[in-house]
Amino acid sequence: AQKITQTQPGMFVQEKEAVTLDCTYDTSDPSYGLFWYKQPSSGEMIFLIYQGSYDQQNATEGRYSLNFQKARKSANLVISASQLGDSAMYFCAMREPYGGATNKLIFGTGTLLAVQP
Amino acid sequence: NAGVTQTPKFQVLKTGQSMTLQCAQDMNHNSMYWYRQDPGMGLRLIYYSASEGTTDKGEVPNGYNVSRLNKREFSLRLESAAPSQTSVYFCASSDLRVAQYFGPGTRLLVL
Repeated sequence: AQKITQTQPGMFVQEKEAVTLDCTYDTSDPSYGLFWYKQPSSGEMIFLIYQGSYDQQNATEGRYSLNFQKARKSANLVISASQLGDSAMYFCAMREPYGGATNKLIFGTGTLLAVQP
Repeated sequence: NAGVTQTPKFQVLKTGQSMTLQCAQDMNHNSMYWYRQDPGMGLRLIYYSASEGTTDKGEVPNGYNVSRLNKREFSLRLESAAPSQTSVYFCASSDLRVAQYFGPGTRLLVL
């Protein structure tokens, strides 16, 4: 069965520093997708970045990058130059195989990031 | 474009009351989803609709029903609310191989 694990319930980072949020996953299928979402205190879920299992390069989106280590089944989110507005809950999620018709996601339990001035 | 909209934003129910949460999307996505979010448990899938005319159970479907009214709208119904259904409910939509986009959520309290 597919599973997503986020082992860091909470983290602190100083403003302008980089931070890595951990995510490990478990699947027996070679075809899958990994996502990161941000949930600020206002409650909405914001899509940040996506990595496909066959993608040759690590995904990047502005200050967000995904450190994808397939052999270790990890997909860590790296936020560079942290800003106060990055304080939020961050969720890692995995999509069932591409062959599936539903695009369902399973989510980790999240990491609460606090950026300190 | 409004993206994904949900109504209501907040609701308080008494045990045994019924209600319907409404969701609509204007992105022409085929698939729509209902999740619930509880503290320490992330988001869990209640029901989903892969395409208009189809619905399927997710991880935690008990106590809920859904209707895919048309391509845009997907509603979630609680027939007899229970305190265990106190949660934040999110609707989302997507097409294959793209991210799911979420609505703002509905905070439900069942007393």
